[in-house]
Amino acid sequence: NAGVTQTPKFQVLKTGQSMTLQCAQDMNHEYMSWYRQDPGMGLRLIHYSVGAGITDQGEVPNGYNVSRSTTEDFPLRLLSAAPSQTSVYFCASRTPGNEQFFGPGTRLTVL
Amino acid sequence: GESVGLHLPTLSVQEGDNSIINCAYSNSASDYFIWYKQESGKGPQFIIDIRSNMDKRQGQRVTVLLNKTVKHLSLQIAATQPGDSAVYFCAENIAGFQKLVFGTGTRLLVSP
Repeated sequence: NAGVTQTPKFQVLKTGQSMTLQCAQDMNHEYMSWYRQDPGMGLRLIHYSVGAGITDQGEVPNGYNVSRSTTEDFPLRLLSAAPSQTSVYFCASRTPGNEQFFGPGTRLTVL
Repeated sequence: GESVGLHLPTLSVQEGDNSIINCAYSNSASDYFIWYKQESGKGPQFIIDIRSNMDKRQGQRVTVLLNKTVKHLSLQIAATQPGDSAVYFCAENIAGFQKLVFGTGTRLLVSP
């Protein structure tokens, strides 16, 4: 199994640009989530999904959209990037027993 | 380079010492707790978990203690090694909410 994969690893955007961060898992996990990690603030939940076709907001959802058309994929969209969205983004999937696996992260800089 | 964790509390130990990393959690409805290890430039990695109906759980070289009275969680690492150097996060699962809430993390530095 490849586990949780994320692309790209690094991205630089200009303010106002849009982009999609990709996340995929091959472990057939129903639960997937997106976090952002900022210095001194730990990981904060952006959006999560308990299965295909179902998404919900986390702690810091503003400025981000998600969709879950398949069990494997959970893309995160930035509609109009802002400097406050400069962060490291982690996607994760979780077993029914709550063991969570994280991807390697995407480092995003918004100028 | 890794910019995450610039302002984290830091625990410095010598190789071979035992390390204790502490975490205070916020919600008395939390039913499940997890410790993660994050090395520079990588995603968090699961270490050990504990359910709220337990007060201690042991793994390989690691022990998690849970004190629900004071909402405190600790991670003990025995015979700490340089490879244990990382940022350690606790996370709590709030029952019924399907969400993990993470603490801010502690950086562990192990000197040879």
